[in-house]
Amino acid sequence: QVQLQESGPGLVKPSQTLSLTCTVSGDSISRGDYYWSWIRQPPGKGLEWIGYIHYRGNTYYRPSLKSRVTISVDTSKNQFSLKLSSVNAADTAVYYCARTQLVEPFDIWGQGTMVTVSS
Amino acid sequence: EIVLTQSPGTLSMSPGERTALSCRASQTINTSFLAWYQKKPGQAPRLLIYGASIRATGIPDRFSGSGSGTDFTLTISRLEPEDFAVYYCQEYGNSPFAFGGGTKVEIK
Repeated sequence: QVQLQESGPGLVKPSQTLSLTCTVSGDSISRGDYYWSWIRQPPGKGLEWIGYIHYRGNTYYRPSLKSRVTISVDTSKNQFSLKLSSVNAADTAVYYCARTQLVEPFDIWGQGTMVTVSS
Repeated sequence: EIVLTQSPGTLSMSPGERTALSCRASQTINTSFLAWYQKKPGQAPRLLIYGASIRATGIPDRFSGSGSGTDFTLTISRLEPEDFAVYYCQEYGNSPFAFGGGTKVEIK
């Protein structure tokens, strides 16, 4: 079955760029009409959708984060990635990658990875 | 941008009891695009309900969803020990996708 796995540094310094990768296994990221999302959950808070990418490269970002977010896809590695620039303590969160189709719920999630922003 | 408000923030319940969780939207939602997820500490969210009332694969029938317009409800007919968790509603018909703030169902 399809599985997602996040990876990346668990600690990022303020003002630097957070970089995470989600590896898709069990199927090709290019198959079907799926959109690949990043979602985060700050400690003690709710879920916040960050943005998504289609394997063809089209993206949509949360407006409040748009100036700092870049999501990219590498079909050769079956991965997609998140870059969040100029981070601060408010970006400390568990970051999840997830799969959806347009007008469908998130059906598959990664286990999540904790990222702490601290000097 | 749609805002989803869940209430109450916390429910203290006993196993075997029935409970209902509310999700209210800031504007009318197409019923087809409302989902509920269960979230336990250290685990990824689990899809329970989509299309406001359709149980996802493998979800027990003690979970049911209802509602339309701006008001939606997740009902758990008889709480099992494994149901104590945080529940989130989500609207997925419009980007940016919105999640509610969550309702924690805790053991009384």
